[in-house]
Amino acid sequence: DVKVTQSSRYLVKRTGEKVFLECVQDMDHENMFWYRQDPGLGLRLIYFSYDVKMKEKGDIPEGYSVSREKKERFSLILESASTNQTSMYLCASSGLGTGFSQPQHFGDGTRLSIL
Amino acid sequence: GENVEQHPSTLSVQEGDSAVIKCTYSDSASNYFPWYKQELGKGPQLIIDIRSNVGEKKDQRIAVTLNKTAKHFSLHITETQPEDSAVYFCAARPSNTGNQFYFGTGTSLTVIP
Repeated sequence: DVKVTQSSRYLVKRTGEKVFLECVQDMDHENMFWYRQDPGLGLRLIYFSYDVKMKEKGDIPEGYSVSREKKERFSLILESASTNQTSMYLCASSGLGTGFSQPQHFGDGTRLSIL
Repeated sequence: GENVEQHPSTLSVQEGDSAVIKCTYSDSASNYFPWYKQELGKGPQLIIDIRSNVGEKKDQRIAVTLNKTAKHFSLHITETQPEDSAVYFCAARPSNTGNQFYFGTGTSLTVIP
């Protein structure tokens, strides 16, 4: 089974802090994703990566950056945390598909509160 | 870009009844449609998916139908059980966006014992 592990289940930080959310997958997947989940808004893509050191902006990249130095690890960085970044953050990974897609596999999320 | 709409946002059914959740998509290039179940405190888990070359797929009590012409797809759960209570998300993946998925806003399903 695919295992996507997010380093923290709950995190509380202060406004202006630099925050790191870590994600590790054990299936040698090429693609990795960061989403935020808010009530009534579903899952919105922040950034994704299709290879080491490669990254692409999703729908809501403002205020975030990412790092992928190793294939199995994808980090989300809040450069200067703000209260409107309080949310549930979900990491996902998927393999390369030919033609049709491969499913994304999710971690259990990090609930981040910015005070 | 792709836009996925999901209805209803909440759904309550009696145990043993059927539940249907519907999604529409806008991009005719979408060719993969997964459904995810998210239980409290957990991440979304894939429960069934369908590709655009298939009209229907079934896995025990769960089935998904796809109408490419109308650009809508539906999740059907028969003989519902209390453990089916969760939030369900549909998604669509356009063939020209790498592996980027576009998600619906979710349906909170409650199965009443």
